[in-house]
Amino acid sequence: ETGVTQSPTHLIKTRGQQVTLRCSSQSGHNTVSWYQQALGQGPQFIFQYYREEENGRGNFPPRFSGLQFPNYSSELNVNALELDDSALYLCASSSRGPGLGEAFFGQGTRLTVV
Amino acid sequence: SQKIEQNSEALNIQEGKTATLTCNYTNYSPAYLQWYRQDPGRGPVFLLLIRENEKEKRKERLKVTFDTTLKQSLFHITASQPADSATYLCALDPQTGANNLFFGTGTRLTVIP
Repeated sequence: ETGVTQSPTHLIKTRGQQVTLRCSSQSGHNTVSWYQQALGQGPQFIFQYYREEENGRGNFPPRFSGLQFPNYSSELNVNALELDDSALYLCASSSRGPGLGEAFFGQGTRLTVV
Repeated sequence: SQKIEQNSEALNIQEGKTATLTCNYTNYSPAYLQWYRQDPGRGPVFLLLIRENEKEKRKERLKVTFDTTLKQSLFHITASQPADSATYLCALDPQTGANNLFFGTGTRLTVIP
């Protein structure tokens, strides 16, 4: 086990609703990244938080937003849910710095939008 | 446009043989390239990281090569076992230490007993 925990594990929401997903980082890690993984695809980078600031963003609209807390845990918020938002959402924690690149992933939250 | 392509969606090999997976990329200048294993319904698990100035990295039965001229990485599993059956993902980190990873679509490996 990686020590990265995500909640909830599964979630069903209706189109147009809002959702908040949560992630607890591995102890000692100061960086959290979020990824969206559609079925049969690789994870797609959403954004990264380092020291409570957004530090890099992938090609996702502003309705995807996040927070990182002083204890390095994090939230992903998605507003105005669309059917295409149905996916596995992965959180990964890591330590920032050269040569410290490996990411430790949680088990993911499976979001279904109906 | 930027692309990361893994050689095939699925690869079947006989137990004991060497599995070779390919990752090709275009329009990236990665500082690092990483390989992950993902089992169904689980998050990816880190396997190996190789830096742009390294040609080869080994860990037990795993070997990764990185050719920045060809823009290609090869991932080898020697003496493959049925327990190696999983999806393998390559990931590029374009910035030193930033850990913003860009993944390929993955190759699903099945090792046949």
